[in-house]
Amino acid sequence: AQSVSQHNHHVILSEAASLELGCNYSYGGTVNLFWYVQYPGQHLQLLLKYFSGDPLVKGIKGFEAEFIKSKFSFNLRKPSVQWSDTAEYFCAVTPTDSWGKLQFGAGTQVVVTP
Amino acid sequence: EPEVTQTPSHQVTQMGQEVILRCVPISNHLYFYWYRQILGQKVEFLVSFYNNEISEKSEIFDDQFSVERPDGSNFTLKIRSTKLEDSAMYFCASTRLANTGELFFGEGSRLTVL
Repeated sequence: AQSVSQHNHHVILSEAASLELGCNYSYGGTVNLFWYVQYPGQHLQLLLKYFSGDPLVKGIKGFEAEFIKSKFSFNLRKPSVQWSDTAEYFCAVTPTDSWGKLQFGAGTQVVVTP
Repeated sequence: EPEVTQTPSHQVTQMGQEVILRCVPISNHLYFYWYRQILGQKVEFLVSFYNNEISEKSEIFDDQFSVERPDGSNFTLKIRSTKLEDSAMYFCASTRLANTGELFFGEGSRLTVL
C-alpha cells in the first residue's frame, strides 16, 4: 500500500538550532516529492519539490531537502531556524502520472522558541 | 498576491442535510482539487477537476459527493446527505499547470456535522 510517513509529530527547538524532519514513502513507482508548510492561521503552501535531477533541492526561506532513493526518503533541513519557522510541515508525494493527487504525511508541528 | 478563497470558513449542519462548500480558485488556473482533513488524521485527496469534468477521484468521493464549476469563477463541493464522519476541514486547491506539482490551497472550510 502507498504511504507517507513523517518521523516526528511534534518538534520544539530554539532559534538558531538546526532542523531536520524525516519523511519516508512507500510507493510502487516513480514519484514526485514535496514539502508543504502551513503557518499558523494560513493556507498550505509549497516549500520545495523534487521531480528529478540533483537530489538536493533548495526551497524558500532557506529550506532544503535531500532525496535518497535507496532509502525512500526525502528529509527536510534548515541549518538555523527562526521563530517565524513555527508551522506545520507536511511531506507529500504524487505518482508521476497524477500530479495533483498529493498523498500527504501526517504532518510535523514545529515550534521554535525565541 | 492572488489566492484561493473558500466559503464558509465554518459550517455546522445536521446529519442528513445537504452542504455546499464554495471555492474561488486563482483566476487563470485550470486544474481544481478538493482535499479534506478529518481531525487528527492526514490530509486526503478527494477529487481533481479539469475542463469541466472530474479527472480523478478517490474512494472517499462516493455518490454523496459532487463537484461543479457553475460559472467561470466558482468551484463547489456538494455533499448531498451529510454523515457524522463527513466532519472535517475541506481544502480547495488550484493550479495553472498540472505538471508543476505546485497546488495553491485555500484556508479551508471546517464542516461540523451534528
